[in-house]
Amino acid sequence: GESVGLHLPTLSVQEGDNSIINCAYSNSASDYFIWYKQESGKGPQFIIDIRSNMDKRQGQRVTVLLNKTVKHLSLQIAATQPGDSAVYFCADFYNQGGKLIFGQGTELSVKP
Amino acid sequence: DAMVIQNPRYQVTQFGKPVTLSCSQTLNHNVMYWYQQKSSQAPKLLFHYYDKDFNNEADTPDNFQSRRPNTSFCFLDIRSPGLGDAAMYLCATSRGLTTDTQYFGPGTRLTVL
Repeated sequence: GESVGLHLPTLSVQEGDNSIINCAYSNSASDYFIWYKQESGKGPQFIIDIRSNMDKRQGQRVTVLLNKTVKHLSLQIAATQPGDSAVYFCADFYNQGGKLIFGQGTELSVKP
Repeated sequence: DAMVIQNPRYQVTQFGKPVTLSCSQTLNHNVMYWYQQKSSQAPKLLFHYYDKDFNNEADTPDNFQSRRPNTSFCFLDIRSPGLGDAAMYLCATSRGLTTDTQYFGPGTRLTVL
């Protein structure tokens, strides 16, 4: 994905509900994708990654889905908690030059 | 235990006054990155070091320089900060340049007066 614009998309969910955060990427040659969580005033924290030879990967309370046909990535958070409130960035790995390309980010707000 | 450490966490400088931000790591990783992140935006890569090899992004202004005196430390020098350079500066490390996970530090918030 490419970072565009100055206004973050927002997602507001009730505590205990499941959250789904979506991301589109543009480079069809990308073969590695990562989700990062960034809390206010902190650096991005690795959550989960997935390689292009997979379409689903699960972690603790999180699942990443990859649809290479439509170049779409999603992060599912089960039983969302107040501590999950943060900005979530997807990033894809651009092999030529060896660098991450960050998406725009989505701000998740969890209501108690 | 902190693995990527950035100092200071908050830095205030005056317009045009040189400033240096510091990053250190305990992971013994080969690669160290510097990103700039402005409010409500994604991190933007400025440059990286693979060991002692420096790789500058094409759109990084000349005003930004970096030094890596040893494996553990990397510095970001802003020679003449402008108001537009106010941002969060993030340091990250990874073992290699392939698909190795990048680990980020907490960032330094730079204010330019």
